Amino acid sequence: AQSVTQLGSHVSVSEGALVLLRCNYSSSVPPYLFWYVQYPNQGLQLLLKYTSAATLVKGINGFEAEFKKSETSFHLTKPSAHMSDAAEYFCAVSPGNQFYFGTGTSLTVIP
Amino acid sequence: DAGITQSPRHKVTETGTPVTLRCHQTENHRYMYWYRQDPGHGLRLIHYSYGVKDTDKGEVSDGYSVSRSKTEDFLLTLESATSSQTSVYFCAISNRGPYNEQFFGPGTRLTVL
Repeated sequence: AQSVTQLGSHVSVSEGALVLLRCNYSSSVPPYLFWYVQYPNQGLQLLLKYTSAATLVKGINGFEAEFKKSETSFHLTKPSAHMSDAAEYFCAVSPGNQFYFGTGTSLTVIP
Repeated sequence: DAGITQSPRHKVTETGTPVTLRCHQTENHRYMYWYRQDPGHGLRLIHYSYGVKDTDKGEVSDGYSVSRSKTEDFLLTLESATSSQTSVYFCAISNRGPYNEQFFGPGTRLTVL
């Protein structure tokens, strides 16, 4: 079975601090991996995706994620948090037939 | 932004009534999806379509049916709404299937009393 685990349903960071949102996946086949962001009362917006071209993936708004096969992880990072980064973040895996989403991590940025 | 609209955006209905939600796209994408979003569960796939009149079940399809008679429209029907179907429903589209990113609509907030 395919699944995605996001550790920490809520994460708080100070403005300017490192953002680290964790995602681990289980997949019986090499997966495609995605991070989405959801701002209040909006749909999901793609941040970045991993499709096996490179293990370090850069996305929009200064976010990046590193695929680590040995750890089955795809953690999302941003060097310096901005107030506008406050949102809910979802990791998703696609082993080929459909998407499986994690339960989400709500990011709070403290001024 | 991908051209995806959902209607209605908000709906309140009573238990036992039928409800139809509409997803409309202007991107001519082949794949369309319906998800529900609930606290603590993330997004869960209800049904998806891989072409006109071609649909399949997702993880939480019980109590829901779908139809796609045109490329641009994907309808989700709750035949007899229950309180457990109170949720936010999102439509998504993709042009090359599940390996590729999905673009999401703005969502429909459904409350079943």
